Amino acid sequence: AQSVTQPDIHITVSEGASLELRCNYSYGATPYLFWYVQSPGQGLQLLLKYFSGDTLVQGIKGFEAEFKRSQSSFNLRKPSVHWSDAAEYFCAVGPFGNEKLTFGTGTRLTIIP
Amino acid sequence: EAGVVQSPRYKIIEKKQPVAFWCNPISGHNTLYWYLQNLGQGPELLIRYENEEAVDDSQLPKDRFSAERLKGVDSTLKIQPAELGDSAVYLCASSSETSGSSREQFFGPGTRLTVL
Repeated sequence: AQSVTQPDIHITVSEGASLELRCNYSYGATPYLFWYVQSPGQGLQLLLKYFSGDTLVQGIKGFEAEFKRSQSSFNLRKPSVHWSDAAEYFCAVGPFGNEKLTFGTGTRLTIIP
Repeated sequence: EAGVVQSPRYKIIEKKQPVAFWCNPISGHNTLYWYLQNLGQGPELLIRYENEEAVDDSQLPKDRFSAERLKGVDSTLKIQPAELGDSAVYLCASSSETSGSSREQFFGPGTRLTVL
């Protein structure tokens, strides 16, 4: 069965500082990996996705993620956070075709001035 | 292009009452999903439709939950009767085959249900 672990429930970062959110997955085949962001009262928005090829993927809003098969990880990074990045971030894994996503429990990001 | 529309945005009911949520997917999206999101958790799939056919409802508690997607467009999710533990956010998402293997899911804002 597929599963996702986001070990950090809550992270606080100063505005302008770098960010890394951790994601570890368990999947029996080649994983399709996603990062979503959810602002308060909003639906989930796709930040980036990985299917194959270059293991460093670029997404929207200046985010990037690196797939490391040996570590079963897909960590999300941003070199300099903005106050508007405060939100809940979800990592997800799914099969080819993206029909059945399994989400992690999320990491809440707080930005301090 | 309009996104996924859900209504109502908020609903407060007493336990044992029925409740229904409505979803209008993005125009042309043939796949529709209903997710349940408990507080502090990630979304969990309840049911997935391909056009009007429910192709995965394995996680839908069928004793009290039901869903329909008439004409393969709008969808309604119903709970009857509601229980205290049903308090959560119900998310609707849609996707299109035309996006190829990525088949990105687009999410609506959700309906926050509170059962008293």
